[in-house]
Parts: sequence; C-alpha cells; structure tokens
Amino acid sequence: QSALTQPASVSGSPGQSITISCTGTGSDIGGYNYVSWYQQHPGKAPKLIIYEVINRPSGVSNRFSGSRSGNTASLTISGLQAEDEAYYYCCSYTTSSTLIFGGGTKLTVL
Amino acid sequence: EVQLVQSGAEVKKPGESLKISCKCSGYSFSNYWIGWVRQMPGKGLEWMGIIYPGDSSSKYSPSYGPSFQGQVTISADKSINTAYLQWSSLKASDTATYYCARRGFRSTSWRQGSYYFDFWGQGTLVTVSS
Repeated sequence: QSALTQPASVSGSPGQSITISCTGTGSDIGGYNYVSWYQQHPGKAPKLIIYEVINRPSGVSNRFSGSRSGNTASLTISGLQAEDEAYYYCCSYTTSSTLIFGGGTKLTVL
Repeated sequence: EVQLVQSGAEVKKPGESLKISCKCSGYSFSNYWIGWVRQMPGKGLEWMGIIYPGDSSSKYSPSYGPSFQGQVTISADKSINTAYLQWSSLKASDTATYYCARRGFRSTSWRQGSYYFDFWGQGTLVTVSS
C-alpha cells in the first residue's frame, strides 16, 4: 500500500495563496469523502486542519480550505503567513478499511 | 479539555520488549476509537492501527495497517482511560516517534462514520540501538 502522492515542497510569499495536491486512486481518495489534512510544525504533533474533504474544525483559520476532483484532493492556503510554514499531510480512508497518509509537503513561506 | 498524554522517551536494545502508553482525559474514553501513527526520523506519517476502548470482545479487535499487522499489539484499559502500543522484540528499524490520536467521529463501528484524528498526543520517541 503506497503512500498518497504529494509534492515534496511548495513555497509562496506572505499574502499569496498556495495549493498542495494529494493524489490517490479510486480505492481511497476517489472512493470516499474521507480526506483529512494535518499541519505539523517541526518537533510538534500533527494538527487537524481539514476533515471530510472540505470541513474545517472549530478554531482553524478560514484561510485553509479543501477540495477534491476525482482521485486528487487539494489543500489551499490563502493569505500566507509566516506561521503557516510547516509540513502538511493528507490522509484518506481506503477500501481495505485502513487509513493511508500522503508523503508530506514542506511549505516554505519566502 | 481533551488531552492525550503519552509516556516518555525510551531507549532500548534490539530484541527487547516495550509498551508505551497514551493517557486520555477530558472526554468519554470508551466512546472514541484511538489510533497510533508512526513517524520515522525525517519521514512522514504512517497509520499503524486503531482500537475501540469501549469493548474488548472479539467483535472489536484492533485493526492494523498492512505494514504493522503482526509487528505490534494495540490494546486499551478503559478502567484507567489508557491506550497502549507494544512490541515483543524491537528492531533498529522501530526507531521513530509514535503518536496516539483520537478518531474524531464517535461510533462503535470502525467501518461506519467518518475518519479523521481530532486530538493527538505529544508523541513518544523510541530509540532502538545496540
């Protein structure tokens, strides 16, 4: 079971918007509305920022948004801020009743 | 306030056994699934498995990721609101940080509902070296 595919790194300047993609198959991302996204700062535990493809937990900035098209989910961060610099991981439920994470994307705020 | 507090860092030798813990508070421990996630040094997150603390019958046996089946054991003790991850014989390749996390959707069934982790422990670093 290979990890979902994410770009290794993305970057953007403060105030800009960036999008991180997460590609899977019809057996995971494409088959269920159960994609979640996590933000992880170095040395810290992951933090949930998006669940069920598009939903934001209470307390998460509305600058974070999620979407999906076919077998690819996407996380968009608008109005980039320095504090957004972190690693981002997608996660999906699969037809095997397991969960699978993406390989992670390092976001650099220039 | 929901909190998951994990046991401290461990240094072990290959072949030794280990059990790390995840003490949960601030919610009804028996009603939410608890999962474990591995992060090897400098690497990404990997889902290891999950357990329903509310019932220890065979109907609610833990579920494991394909890479971890037979390699680790997940358990829980609802009397003390604690989940566990254990190894019977550690390898150097088990060196990693291990996180426990609460499934955010309240359900007695793993195969029904939604799938995301809304609260996480702080992580336990396990180092296996001779």
